[in-house]
Amino acid sequence: KAGVTQTPRYLIKTRGQQVTLSCSPISGHRSVSWYQQTPGQGLQFLFEYFSETQRNKGNFPGRFSGRQFSNSRSEMNVSTLELGDSALYLCASSLSADQPQHFGDGTRLSIL
Amino acid sequence: QQQVKQSPQSLIVQKGGISIINCAYENTAFDYFPWYQQFPGKGPALLIAIRPDVSEKKEGRFTISFNKSAKQFSLHIMDSQPGDSATYFCAARGGDYKLSFGAGTTVTVRA
Repeated sequence: KAGVTQTPRYLIKTRGQQVTLSCSPISGHRSVSWYQQTPGQGLQFLFEYFSETQRNKGNFPGRFSGRQFSNSRSEMNVSTLELGDSALYLCASSLSADQPQHFGDGTRLSIL
Repeated sequence: QQQVKQSPQSLIVQKGGISIINCAYENTAFDYFPWYQQFPGKGPALLIAIRPDVSEKKEGRFTISFNKSAKQFSLHIMDSQPGDSATYFCAARGGDYKLSFGAGTTVTVRA
């Protein structure tokens, strides 16, 4: 069974631009969560989607948004990029929100 | 504010030794406690998990000990191998189903 797939693996952007990251969950998984990982703040929860609905959101500014499609694939968008947005963005999927979460290998976003 | 406190930040152990990582939490609504292993360039991989109605869970060389009254849990890696060298994260989840992670422990196993 294929794992969680995140694309692209690496991205370089400049301040002020926007970016869209993609996540394909494990087949059959309907819950998708996003996390930001940085050396200073560690792993922080961004948001969780289930059946195309955002059910939970972490403490991030409105520049961070996401959506989920009917096939459970999810995208995350960050607008007006700032230097501090440089991080590894991880997607995790699970059968449902109360089941174990399995992570992809992330998208490494670098802001110049 | 970190909801899950993890220690130590790093540890070095000899091959065949025991690695012990400790975590503590305050939120009594947490009801699921997983441990993840992360290698450089990879995402965290679920290693083992426990719920508060169990005091210990063992899977191969990995054991979680859970102390509900003290709000603490720990990971023991028995017979540590060089391939266990990685960063380990404890986490906790409550009714909102979002994972709160510890800061991570970098384990180095010396051959």
